[in-house]
Amino acid sequence: DAGVTQSPTHLIKTRGQQVTLRCSPKSGHDTVSWYQQALGQGPQFIFQYYEEEERQRGNFPDRFSGHQFPNYSSELNVNALLLGDSALYLCASSFIGRDTEAFFGQGTRLTVV
Amino acid sequence: KQEVTQIPAALSVPEGENLVLNCSFTDSAIYNLQWFRQDPGKGLTSLLLIQSSQREQTSGRLNASLDKSSGRSTLYIAASQPGDSATYLCAMRDANAGKSTFGDGTTLTVKP
Repeated sequence: DAGVTQSPTHLIKTRGQQVTLRCSPKSGHDTVSWYQQALGQGPQFIFQYYEEEERQRGNFPDRFSGHQFPNYSSELNVNALLLGDSALYLCASSFIGRDTEAFFGQGTRLTVV
Repeated sequence: KQEVTQIPAALSVPEGENLVLNCSFTDSAIYNLQWFRQDPGKGLTSLLLIQSSQREQTSGRLNASLDKSSGRSTLYIAASQPGDSATYLCAMRDANAGKSTFGDGTTLTVKP
């Protein structure tokens, strides 16, 4: 079992550009959540997807959007990048409604210049 | 709104020492609690999960406890080793089994 995999591992983008990050959940997991982690801080919840729908959303602007595919994999899209979007983006997968662990990927380090 | 605080922010101990990391939260209506380890620039590795009906969980040299009524959790590390050096994060999963709310972590350094 490969666990949660994210791609790419590193990315450099210019302010104003758009970016897409990808996540494959742990085998069997049906729920994917995305988090943004700034340096020295804990991860902040962006949104959660289940059954291809956004189930919960954190306090992030509409520039952040996502998608979940029938195979449960997910994408995070960020439009009109700002310097402040530079962070480690983490994907977590879990089972909906079950009292079990959430597993995290290794993250994508996004740098906006 | 759930708020999670981890104290201390940083901790340095000599090898072999037993230590306790603290996590406090404001909303006791949590579903479960997970402790994670994060090495610099890396993702999160799950250490322990305290499920909704549990108050304690143990794995090897690690023991985590949860007291929902007081809004506190502790992670106990026995006989610390240099390889334990990392940032430790606690996360509260909300009652809807949805999002997790994290503290900012405790950065642990274990000196040989």
